[in-house]
Amino acid sequence: EVQLLESGGGLVQPGGSLRLSCAASGFTFSSYSMSWVRQAPGRGLEWVSSITSSGDGTFYADSVKGRFTVSRDNSKNTLYLQMNSLRAEDTAIYYCLRGLSWPDYWGQGTLVTVSS
Amino acid sequence: DVVMTQSPLSLPVTLGQPASISCRSSQSLVHSDGNTYLNWFQQRPGQSPRRLIYKVSNRDSGVPDRFSGSGSGTDFTLKISRVEAEDVGVYYCMQGTHWPRTFGQGTRVEIK
Repeated sequence: EVQLLESGGGLVQPGGSLRLSCAASGFTFSSYSMSWVRQAPGRGLEWVSSITSSGDGTFYADSVKGRFTVSRDNSKNTLYLQMNSLRAEDTAIYYCLRGLSWPDYWGQGTLVTVSS
Repeated sequence: DVVMTQSPLSLPVTLGQPASISCRSSQSLVHSDGNTYLNWFQQRPGQSPRRLIYKVSNRDSGVPDRFSGSGSGTDFTLKISRVEAEDVGVYYCMQGTHWPRTFGQGTRVEIK
């Protein structure tokens, strides 16, 4: 069974940093591209970032480019999202997804709250 | 960026009746590889989104056959042949052809 388990969310002050993790199981992690999508409270879905299976290709939404970095450790079956210079508008549930063109599985999400 | 426009944004439906959601893109979603990466997701209250349809019309395993997807180019539709109570939630289209990936605003399906 495919499982994606996000962690690392929490309350952080504006300008602060946070690193999200997504532990994958039930499939060959190194064979799949992965993505992050977020959802602000009561709002719709916003694609954040994607990374290719080997990690040699990364893609970002303009809203996070230069502040967020996606990476992966295929030996640990884990996807990461390093978030720096956080803003109030980054407050959202962050979901980890398998795939980047027709993503199939979603994690349960981790809540990031940026507030002083 | 490719803008995905869904309509309607709210859809009250009587149980057992059909429902239809439109999704239009500002550019063609036909990829250079020949595929059209238009996907549909369902988000039930309090849950993570779940994929229903991928590449326009391919239904995911476990998705009831009352759900169907159709369309081409820039114009796509999700249809529910007979709405059931468990179909309540928000439905999103998403394009996976162009960067950045983009979602529609979401269509809230509720029971009348």
